[in-house]
Amino acid sequence: GENVEQHPSTLSVQEGDSAVIKCTYSDSASNYFPWYKQELGKRPQLIIDIRSNVGEKKDQRIAVTLNKTAKHFSLHITETQPEDSAVYFCAASIGFQKLVFGTGTRLLVSP
Amino acid sequence: DSGVTQTPKHLITATGQRVTLRCSPRSGDLSVYWYQQSLDQGLQFLIHYYNGEERAKGNILERFSAQQFPDLHSELNLSSLELGDSALYFCASSVGVLRDEKLFFGSGTQLSVL
Repeated sequence: GENVEQHPSTLSVQEGDSAVIKCTYSDSASNYFPWYKQELGKRPQLIIDIRSNVGEKKDQRIAVTLNKTAKHFSLHITETQPEDSAVYFCAASIGFQKLVFGTGTRLLVSP
Repeated sequence: DSGVTQTPKHLITATGQRVTLRCSPRSGDLSVYWYQQSLDQGLQFLIHYYNGEERAKGNILERFSAQQFPDLHSELNLSSLELGDSALYFCASSVGVLRDEKLFFGSGTQLSVL
């Protein structure tokens, strides 16, 4: 299959809290897992990505972890800020030819 | 600015009509991908072209077709339009295929079918 499941669909946190978004994929051959942030009415923008030979990657307040055995990867945002409010999409590559996206998580960070 | 250019930004048309959406990839990128995003929906993969050749198809309707030209720009043709085709259509590009390459999105074309 070529499914990417993403949870939760909505996430509300207080400023300064951490946020975690989880995804699972079905294709064991997937080897590239990016995360995109999409603000209202704008294009998706790549915020971090991870490849299958790496278990964890961090970039300032965001980090991604990958568990290939469980076919599971997660996005972690620490010290959330109101400007982090957006829809976040995970994705997994399928056969080097296409990127299948999760259904998105709407993150709301309240001041 | 991602470097991926999509035109037009907005398109309003009627049911039964045909439209063409255009995408110019980033300089040096050989791959072009098309995605459809309906209201409050995720990104549905439509089709991928690499250096002029079709490489992968997703849930693309038979009424839709695409091509990539020798100068690497791509066009998505939507015909016999229906109300349900109203959506934001994104084009994305990458240097090569998805082994190691990042995907960068254009600003999208908002299609409204009335």
